Amino acid sequence: AQTVTQSQPEMSVQEAETVTLSCTYDTSENNYYLFWYKQPPSRQMILVIRQEAYKQQNATENRFSVNFQKAAKSFSLKISDSQLGDTAMYFCAFMKHHRGAGGTSYGKLTFGQGTILTVHP
Amino acid sequence: EPEVTQTPSHQVTQMGQEVILRCVPISNHLYFYWYRQILGQKVEFLVSFYNNEISEKSEIFDDQFSVERPDGSNFTLKIRSTKLEDSAMYFCASREWGLQSTEAFFGQGTRLTVV
Repeated sequence: AQTVTQSQPEMSVQEAETVTLSCTYDTSENNYYLFWYKQPPSRQMILVIRQEAYKQQNATENRFSVNFQKAAKSFSLKISDSQLGDTAMYFCAFMKHHRGAGGTSYGKLTFGQGTILTVHP
Repeated sequence: EPEVTQTPSHQVTQMGQEVILRCVPISNHLYFYWYRQILGQKVEFLVSFYNNEISEKSEIFDDQFSVERPDGSNFTLKIRSTKLEDSAMYFCASREWGLQSTEAFFGQGTRLTVV
């Protein structure tokens, strides 16, 4: 079974500064995907960024980037130029590689405990 | 932009009552999921559904829970006899078919309160 650990229950950052949220995971799988989801006060889960484990290059999406260290099973999220709208709970999530019909993976996500990020003006 | 829609947004029910939480996934998606989040805690997988049958379920998803896709558009989660500990936010999610379709789209959630 996979486990995902976020060791920072809460983080805060000043507007326009950079913050890094940590995530580690444990798996025996070689092919998988990692995600960061954002949950603002509205409670809806919004995908921020994804990383395929077979890709060495770290994913980036505008102000969001990841530091993926496969050997260390680490997947941190860096938010640059933080904005007030970034205030939210952030979840790291793991998904096994989908194996198709008859396989054992149908896209189940395993989430970490979450990190509450507060961006201060 | 297509989205996953859940109804109701908030449901209050008495312990022991049956509840049905409803979801309308994105129309061309083929994988459907229910997750729950007890207040302040992490999001937990309940069940995945593909090709009109459960493909995977967690230990939480016991005999009190069932899922159904009754009409090709709705996807429902039924809790037969609610307990106080079923109080949580329930999220429906859906995903496209295909090995490269990794993103799960979530609904806005249904807050279930059991009193």
